[in-house]
Amino acid sequence: DAKTTQPPSMDCAEGRAANLPCNHSTISGNEYVYWYRQIHSQGPQYIIHGLKNNETNEMASLIITEDRKSSTLILPHATLRDTAVYYCIVRVSPLNTGTASKLTFGTGTRLQVML
Amino acid sequence: NAGVTQTPKFRILKIGQSMTLQCTQDMNHNYMYWYRQDPGMGLKLIYYSVGAGITDKGEVPNGYNVSRSTTEDFPLRLELAAPSQTSVYFCASRPGQTNEKLFFGSGTQLSVL
Repeated sequence: DAKTTQPPSMDCAEGRAANLPCNHSTISGNEYVYWYRQIHSQGPQYIIHGLKNNETNEMASLIITEDRKSSTLILPHATLRDTAVYYCIVRVSPLNTGTASKLTFGTGTRLQVML
Repeated sequence: NAGVTQTPKFRILKIGQSMTLQCTQDMNHNYMYWYRQDPGMGLKLIYYSVGAGITDKGEVPNGYNVSRSTTEDFPLRLELAAPSQTSVYFCASRPGQTNEKLFFGSGTQLSVL
């Protein structure tokens, strides 16, 4: 699976958009980009995932560059409750490998939303 | 649905003691996982299961055992607790092969002294 690089920490003002970058320059054509977040002491929570196209759901938007070497998770109106560690993960779909998921979580980006 | 339920939430063990961390899910998910998370670090996969009766090792399986006798339950066993096993343990599950959306439990904080 492709390796990802994320900044260790970021700050964002409450009410503003939080843009969390992720570099995955070695991504291959059949690898998806997944985002999870972990609020202090809780289990990680799925946010969104995508392959090529930009994706949006009730939590966030995922923007993937045309060359797929990087992506950005956007929280459109960050609140204090969005303070968490955000993990960007790249993973081949299990449909392609026939194996079970072995999602690898790195150290992520610690997002601090401030008043 | 309660989702993924882990018990206990906290536990302190003495070196050499054994215990079982319980994990159960009521979503009829085939895939289940155990991760550990050391302070300030990411999650590391201990064991996983693709269905009842089938288990396999992850990145850090030494010192642990698992079983999967039913779809719902996936207990993690520590036989001879060591200080290096002090960590937060998370159980997770997902429906099948369609995507990687994992559902996590709230975790068990374990200290071995």
